[in-house]
Amino acid sequence: GNSVTQMEGPVTLSEEAFLTINCTYTATGYPSLFWYVQYPGEGLQLLLKATKADDKGSNKGFEATYRKETTSFHLEKGSVQVSDSAVYFCALAVFTGGGNKLTFGTGTQLKVEL
Amino acid sequence: DTAVSQTPKYLVTQMGNDKSIKCEQNLGHDTMYWYKQDSKKFLKIMFSYNNKELIINETVPNRFSPKSPDKAHLNLHINSLELGDSAVYFCASSQRRSNPSTDTQYFGPGTRLTVL
Repeated sequence: GNSVTQMEGPVTLSEEAFLTINCTYTATGYPSLFWYVQYPGEGLQLLLKATKADDKGSNKGFEATYRKETTSFHLEKGSVQVSDSAVYFCALAVFTGGGNKLTFGTGTQLKVEL
Repeated sequence: DTAVSQTPKYLVTQMGNDKSIKCEQNLGHDTMYWYKQDSKKFLKIMFSYNNKELIINETVPNRFSPKSPDKAHLNLHINSLELGDSAVYFCASSQRRSNPSTDTQYFGPGTRLTVL
């Protein structure tokens, strides 16, 4: 079946540090890959996505590249801010028999300190 | 101009009760979903409807019954609530395109259900 594995958190960084959150996946078919972010007390927001191999998704300084050879979609940001503190979810979607469902990783909590 | 809204935001109830959570989207999307997020923040899909038709049902107990009166609404009714039903429930919607796996799902703010 489909699955997503994320690095365990929490991750604590100082402001302006470099961020990497690892994500690897297992999927049948050709998945699309997503990063969602959940700020405290809120719902999930799409951060970025990539729909085919070698695509790079980017938004708000965050980037992730769809690597089919390593089945990975690692999230990176060059300089984090306190406002980036949130839980980050890696997810994949494979369309099967009429339904498109997101399979999520367990989430990685990021805490950015001054 | 809320895109996906849910009511109520918080729901506290006793074991054995029946409760409903409502979801509405004003994005004109044709597909809606319910997800459950447990205490460890793990998210798992429960149901999906496309044009009011059930298309995904992920081995959810039949105490949970989704109802879609129209494309813009997907409500979740839960009978005989159990302690293990305590979680945050998220509604989402998307518009099916030619390659559905690329569809972006837009999430509501969540409903925190606490069963005592």
